Amino acid sequence: QSVLTQPPSASGTPGQRVTISCSGSSSNIGSNTVNWYQQLPGTAPKLLIYSNNQRPSGAPDRFSGSKSGTSASLAISGLQSEDEADYYCAAWDDSLNGVVFGGGTKLTVL
Amino acid sequence: EVQLLESGGGLVQPGGSLRLSCAASGFTFNNYAMSWVRQAPGKGLEWVSAISGSGGTTYYADSVKGRFTISRDDSKNTLYLQMNSLRAEDTALYYCARDRHIVVVTAICFDFWGQGTLVTVSS
Repeated sequence: QSVLTQPPSASGTPGQRVTISCSGSSSNIGSNTVNWYQQLPGTAPKLLIYSNNQRPSGAPDRFSGSKSGTSASLAISGLQSEDEADYYCAAWDDSLNGVVFGGGTKLTVL
Repeated sequence: EVQLLESGGGLVQPGGSLRLSCAASGFTFNNYAMSWVRQAPGKGLEWVSAISGSGGTTYYADSVKGRFTISRDDSKNTLYLQMNSLRAEDTALYYCARDRHIVVVTAICFDFWGQGTLVTVSS
């Protein structure tokens, strides 16, 4: 059971906009910034969004992040087949004194 | 180019020990905090441990506290994870990850990852 809650799956057709949610609590998302990681099949995770809504160099601007209260969201616009991957949210948890991850969301491009 | 290369994984019996290494290159190693993150087969990501750029501060997940020890040798640009009293539930691919910050802060964020080294705990 993950501390951060994500839907196990999401899907969309090419060109669509898809949103993935991440729910936490006051000790993690409510008081710290959220990061999002993309893990393509058979590869290591890659940073996609940091500090709630910042894109690292190289991350496509089709990806955007937001945070409100104890929840965060990752939005993917103009969905492409290469976006098919697992997506994880993560944040520091003040009570656990460590990083907590969501369980991951498997995105399927139909 | 930033590179992180993990090694040291393998098959170990329950109760055994293993030391993982992560050789870093392409950046000034002692300017960055580092972490270990693991992924059990077919499962999600689990943060294991973090260490500050100076090596003076360490953090552990409750699941490994008292059994695992993170350390670094800045002269060798290498991160380590000493794993003792291994259990079947420690079976996972262990990733080394670089934090964007020099100290472990609540804005901790992993901007580069290695390819991982597989640890299997089984009799």
